[in-house]
Amino acid sequence: QQQVKQSPQSLIVQKGGISIINCAYENTAFDYFPWYQQFPGKGPALLIAIRPDVSEKKEGRFTISFNKSAKQFSLHIMDSQPGDSATYFCAASPPSGSARQLTFGSGTQLTVLP
Amino acid sequence: DGGITQSPKYLFRKEGQNVTLSCEQNLNHDAMYWYRQDPGQGLRLIYYSQIVNDFQKGDIAEGYSVSREKKESFPLTVTSAQKNPTAFYLCASTLLPNYGYTFGSGTRLTVV
Repeated sequence: QQQVKQSPQSLIVQKGGISIINCAYENTAFDYFPWYQQFPGKGPALLIAIRPDVSEKKEGRFTISFNKSAKQFSLHIMDSQPGDSATYFCAASPPSGSARQLTFGSGTQLTVLP
Repeated sequence: DGGITQSPKYLFRKEGQNVTLSCEQNLNHDAMYWYRQDPGQGLRLIYYSQIVNDFQKGDIAEGYSVSREKKESFPLTVTSAQKNPTAFYLCASTLLPNYGYTFGSGTRLTVV
């Protein structure tokens, strides 16, 4: 019940195209869904996050779409650029009065061709 | 600037040797975490700590040990009991009850 399944494992997109990465979860107690971006040899950095009380959140070219009934959420990168080439991780966390423990998806390696 | 510092960036371990990875944060964050990253497997939680002198096992704690003697420091020891330690190790922290994690730049450990 702690799993977060992410797909695809790798994605190649042309510059200017839309990149879409999907995640599915099982634990209905999850209430926080962040996306992280990681460049080679670096730690992940928080990109955007959503809570289940909204169905969509947009920040610049990055949008999270959330479907609570289907227990799925996705990251859309509009007008993808070569600088977006990185590994993207979705994650989820249950509510907690103490330390929050993120469960991560397996990652998607995005390559944006110039 | 505030952040998390992991050292060393690269570490080589001989068979049967214990090694310690350093993680220091000056963000005044309460909770700290250690994750292991292997290709194609995402990030797996090793240990986490909410307060000083207290820590809990994550999903893959076997062969690892930690301490939290100071709020800003959370070192990870990879013991000889960890049979496959070659991986990228990431330390993270957060200010409770905040939701966002801040990650360090990682330590790449290789067994030689």
